Formats: sequence, C-alpha cells, structure tokens
Amino acid sequence: DQQVKQNSPSLSVQEGRISILNCDYTNSMFDYFLWYKKYPAEGPTFLISISSIKDKNEDGRFTVFLNKSAKHLSLHIVPSQPGDSAVYFCAARSNTGNQFYFGTGTSLTVIP
Amino acid sequence: DAGVIQSPRHEVTEMGQEVTLRCKPISGHDYLFWYRQTMMRGLELLIYFNNNVPIDDSGMPEDRFSAKMPNASFSTLKIQPSEPRDSAVYFCASSLARLLETQYFGPGTRLLVL
Repeated sequence: DQQVKQNSPSLSVQEGRISILNCDYTNSMFDYFLWYKKYPAEGPTFLISISSIKDKNEDGRFTVFLNKSAKHLSLHIVPSQPGDSAVYFCAARSNTGNQFYFGTGTSLTVIP
Repeated sequence: DAGVIQSPRHEVTEMGQEVTLRCKPISGHDYLFWYRQTMMRGLELLIYFNNNVPIDDSGMPEDRFSAKMPNASFSTLKIQPSEPRDSAVYFCASSLARLLETQYFGPGTRLLVL
C-alpha cells in the first residue's frame, strides 16, 4: 500500500508561471519530507526538504509547504524554467527508523 | 568524487536467468540503499546497509532477491531466477550517517527480463 501518493502523473506549465506539485501521505509517524528531481537516464537528486515541525521551507525558486493536519505537502516552483522539466518524487521518512517512502513521481514539463 | 557507480547500466536477460547488479558507493558514506523504480509503484526501498551490515530487508519482494555488501566499497543485488515482472530500473544510493536525509543516487540499472 502506497504510504506516499502523488496523484498527478504529469503536469505542464508555461515558462515563467508557477508549478505546483502535490503529495499526500497516510502515516502520521513521518517526521521528515523531501523532494527529489530526476532527469532521464539519471538517478534522482535531492532538491529540498522540510521537517514536520515546520510548515514552509524556501530555497530560491523552490518552496515546500507542509500541512500536517491534511497530511499534504506541495512543491512550488516560481518562476518555472524549461530546465525544471523532470520527474519529481516526493519522499517521507518514518521517525521509527531510517526508512524512506517515495511516491510514484510527477513528470513536469515546462513549455518555453 | 565520481559519485555512486552502478553496473551494468542496461541488462536484458531471459526469464529464469540469474541477474547481478553492482554498486560502488561514494567513499566514506556509511549507508547504502537499493531501490527499484516501476511506473506503478514508483521508487521502492528494497534493502539498506549500515557499515556493510544489512539493517532492513523488509522491502525485498521475494526470496529470489538477495543483496550483499562484502566491503565498504561494493554491493550487489542478485535476482535468481529472474522473472518478467522484475523488469524495472534499480537504483543504488549512499549517504553519510549524519546526513541520512540526503541520499546520493547512482544512474540506475535498467533491467529487462524477457
């Protein structure tokens, strides 16, 4: 059973606009959340993270929002650039151990 | 540093054959992870090691899968016998113990079992 869900397999956004990628989780024991970015034929690379004690973390054009009551997090990319076109994976860590659970990914296409 | 190295990058085999995937983690990293990526299930953690010792293999799908880490610079994931449903991209990742939240992934091995 998927504990981390990304319900949108794909998203297309115009260059310069905001991209919003969503992620839902089911396990209230998760204490750390991450976003990874993956280009074709490469491994995922870490993008940004957020602890469960925070509700927002910002790094340049990338912001992650966490809504613990809704068990939902989102990644905002503003402004979106063509180089942002990739698959984005949401991940969560259980506070019971060093285990990570990943979503199925959202493929973002930024149209020039 | 060359990053996490995986070999082979592509593997095509026939059902029933043994498959061995290899991984060289980043030097000095204490943790090593094996993942499998499929369209339906995304990235799944199969097993991870700490200081060459397997810590959690609960993600290994069946007894057909086995993983070893004989030393700090090498790990293998073996599938014997392989089945078509094992077709996926297999990633190896490593991390420093104190930076577990940030894993460095290899480029992956794309496995196709016919």
